[in-house]
Amino acid sequence: TQLLEQSPQFLSIQEGENLTVYCNSSSVFSSLQWYRQEPGEGPVLLVTVVTGGEVKKLKRLTFQFGDARKDSSLHITAAQTGDTGLYLCAGGGTSYGKLTFGQGTILTVHP
Amino acid sequence: DADVTQTPRNRITKTGKRIMLECSQTKGHDRMYWYRQDPGLGLQLIYYSFDVKDINKGEISDGYSVSRQAQAKFSLSLESAIPNQTALYFCATMEREWGTQYFGPGTRLTVL
Repeated sequence: TQLLEQSPQFLSIQEGENLTVYCNSSSVFSSLQWYRQEPGEGPVLLVTVVTGGEVKKLKRLTFQFGDARKDSSLHITAAQTGDTGLYLCAGGGTSYGKLTFGQGTILTVHP
Repeated sequence: DADVTQTPRNRITKTGKRIMLECSQTKGHDRMYWYRQDPGLGLQLIYYSFDVKDINKGEISDGYSVSRQAQAKFSLSLESAIPNQTALYFCATMEREWGTQYFGPGTRLTVL
């Protein structure tokens, strides 16, 4: 059973556009992490959110943790070709010592 | 030098062969993980270890085994490889509960 549902699975946009990726669950998580993965490499952590309603900004990326800690979103403003990659959300707290990963969103930003 | 290394980076093998994938880390973390990645399925946990004497099965452990030889080394074995084990395999470490996971570069395994 997939505890974390990411949407959309694929996203293809032009440079300069805005986009939002969603991560939803029926479970409550103690923390929610977002990772970015480039071809040929392992995922790299972008951010961790731990408080319901928390908003974190990383340059053009804005991350939000839902009030009930069941969902999260990643918003990218004015996407650039360098944003292309696989974005993964991961929840902690439902199973000791393990993270639960969403299935990922493949983002392609065209010049 | 990379903090988490995996060998080999690519491997092509035949059905029925025994394969070992190795992972080493210099981060000093006790927690280590093996994941499998297939397109559209994110990362699925195969095995994880909290220390040398603590090994736990993940969601998809059937057909796989692991060995934690030292704090820094965690190996994944496929006793008798089958084609549907063709995938990208990642090793990761984590310093504490719900902390950052640090991933290796991955091993691309193809079973013919």
